[in-house]
Amino acid sequence: QQQVKQSPQSLIVQKGGISIINCAYENTAFDYFPWYQQFPGKGPALLIAIRPDVSEKKEGRFTISFNKSAKQFSLHIMDSQPGDSATYFCAARMNRDDKIIFGKGTRLHILP
Amino acid sequence: GAGVSQSPRYKVAKRGQDVALRCDPISGHVSLFWYQQALGQGPEFLTYFQNEAQLDKSGLPSDRFFAERPEGSVSTLKIQRTQQEDSAVYLCASSSSGTGANEQFFGPGTRLTVL
Repeated sequence: QQQVKQSPQSLIVQKGGISIINCAYENTAFDYFPWYQQFPGKGPALLIAIRPDVSEKKEGRFTISFNKSAKQFSLHIMDSQPGDSATYFCAARMNRDDKIIFGKGTRLHILP
Repeated sequence: GAGVSQSPRYKVAKRGQDVALRCDPISGHVSLFWYQQALGQGPEFLTYFQNEAQLDKSGLPSDRFFAERPEGSVSTLKIQRTQQEDSAVYLCASSSSGTGANEQFFGPGTRLTVL
């Protein structure tokens, strides 16, 4: 049973465009929703995170939009650059439970 | 300071062999996690330590998997009698808070290939 569902599986975006990755969750006990970026041969690195009492969080070109009633959240990458080409994982964690539940990932490719 | 380090970075084992994977967390980090990442998938939780105490091992797939952190710093994940389905990248992560409120920092992983 997949607790965090992520789409699309892969995404190709032109340089300068907007990349959008979507996630949905079932467990309302989740209290922390991070996004991770992973390059080949590297471990995941935290990109940006949000808690469910906030509907949007922006850090530079990266924005998380959060819809608590729909149990959905998304990552928007503005002005996408070739260096953003990587695999992105949405994730969730319960406030008092340390393990992170990851989505299956989205392989993003930005065309130069 | 240095991040999380893991060794070896690559390991090839014949089916049935035992392997040991090492994780050096960030100095002073209380919490340590192991995850398994199959090819093309997201990481999946294996086990969690707070200092030397293993508080959650619910993700270990079988009794062939064993993890330890005897002195509350370095951790070893051991897989006995490896099988082909054990082939994956094994990731270690550490965080500074025992309550799990802080960010988990991941190492580069050990890629295990079982022939």
